[in-house]
Amino acid sequence: AQTVTQSQPEMSVQEAETVTLSCTYDTSESDYYLFWYKQPPSRQMILVIRQEAYKQQNATENRFSVNFQKAAKSFSLKISDSQLGDAAMYFCAYYSGGGADGLTFGKGTHLIIQP
Amino acid sequence: DTAVSQTPKYLVTQMGNDKSIKCEQNLGHDTMYWYKQDSKKFLKIMFSYNNKELIINETVPNRFSPKSPDKAHLNLHINSLELGDSAVYFCASSQELWVPNYGYTFGSGTRLTVV
Repeated sequence: AQTVTQSQPEMSVQEAETVTLSCTYDTSESDYYLFWYKQPPSRQMILVIRQEAYKQQNATENRFSVNFQKAAKSFSLKISDSQLGDAAMYFCAYYSGGGADGLTFGKGTHLIIQP
Repeated sequence: DTAVSQTPKYLVTQMGNDKSIKCEQNLGHDTMYWYKQDSKKFLKIMFSYNNKELIINETVPNRFSPKSPDKAHLNLHINSLELGDSAVYFCASSQELWVPNYGYTFGSGTRLTVV
């Protein structure tokens, strides 16, 4: 089974600064998808950004961008110009196909924004 | 108009009881899922349901049973509740089972507390 590892249980950043959340994964597949989800205190799971493994170009969504290193099996999330509303749990997730595995999540990183 | 809605949002019940959590999606998606988020925030898939095909994660006790009256609904029924069942349960949906182009859309979760 695939595994997703988020090595930073908690990160803290000053408002307006940039922060990078790390994620590595283990797979033998060549074609897969990677996602970052945000879970604020409201508990809602919100899709932040997605990346297809066959695309070399890193995905970007406004202040959010990823650094996808396929050979290293690394998928980090960079948040630029951090805002108070970015405070949340961030989950990295992997998907290679249907079946019992579905979306496989990492254990999450709690992001704190310091005003 | 909520895309994936779960009811109830909170559920407190005694050990041994049987309870159900309802989930409905209005996105026209083909596949629905149940995830369990434990006290450490770890998300793990329990079931996926696509065109009447149920895929069960082998670690889920058979006290848990999904019931789908139609494509837009996937309810979770739990028999003989145990203390360890306390968690947040998320319903989710995706356009297709095998190629989640847009990731999963999650409901807002049901916090189940077994006392």
